[in-house]
Amino acid sequence: AQSVTQLGSHVSVSEGALVLLRCNYSSSVPPYLFWYVQYPNQGLQLLLKYTSAATLVKGINGFEAEFKKSETSFHLTKPSAHMSDAAEYFCAVTFSSGNTPLVFGKGTRLSVIA
Amino acid sequence: KAGVTQTPRYLIKTRGQQVTLSCSPISGHRSVSWYQQTPGQGLQFLFEYFSETQRNKGNFPGRFSGRQFSNSRSEMNVSTLELGDSALYLCASSPEAQLNEKLFFGSGTQLSVL
Repeated sequence: AQSVTQLGSHVSVSEGALVLLRCNYSSSVPPYLFWYVQYPNQGLQLLLKYTSAATLVKGINGFEAEFKKSETSFHLTKPSAHMSDAAEYFCAVTFSSGNTPLVFGKGTRLSVIA
Repeated sequence: KAGVTQTPRYLIKTRGQQVTLSCSPISGHRSVSWYQQTPGQGLQFLFEYFSETQRNKGNFPGRFSGRQFSNSRSEMNVSTLELGDSALYLCASSPEAQLNEKLFFGSGTQLSVL
């Protein structure tokens, strides 16, 4: 079975500092991996996805993530945090083929301090 | 293009009642998925419909059911409500036949069971 583990339910960074949100996955077959963001009182929005092409994936709002098979990780980073980045971030995994639903991690709440 | 629309936005019910939630996908999207979001469990997959057929089902009791109409609009029903059913119910539509390509989420229906 697939699963994702997000390390840290809450991360706090200063404005302008590096953002690093951790995600480790478990999958017996090549995975597709996703990061979604949820702003207060809104649904989830896709930030970026890995689908077996380039291992370094660039997404919206300056975020990027690197797929590391040896570490089974797909950490999300942004060089400089902005106040508007405060939100909840979800990592998700699915099989690379077929129509298997996404399995989400429990989420990491990012706070940005001025 | 209008986004995914979920109605109602908020709902308060009492134990034992039943409830129906509605989701209108983005025009042209034929896949609709439903997720339950709670603080403790995160996002858990309920079911997915494609062209009026249930294609995937999560691990929820039979009290949770859904359907999809010919215009791709979807409804989910929860019968005999329990306190633990209090959650944000998210609907997502997908433009692709492949479910895992991209999901567009609605803002959700916040259900409170008293």
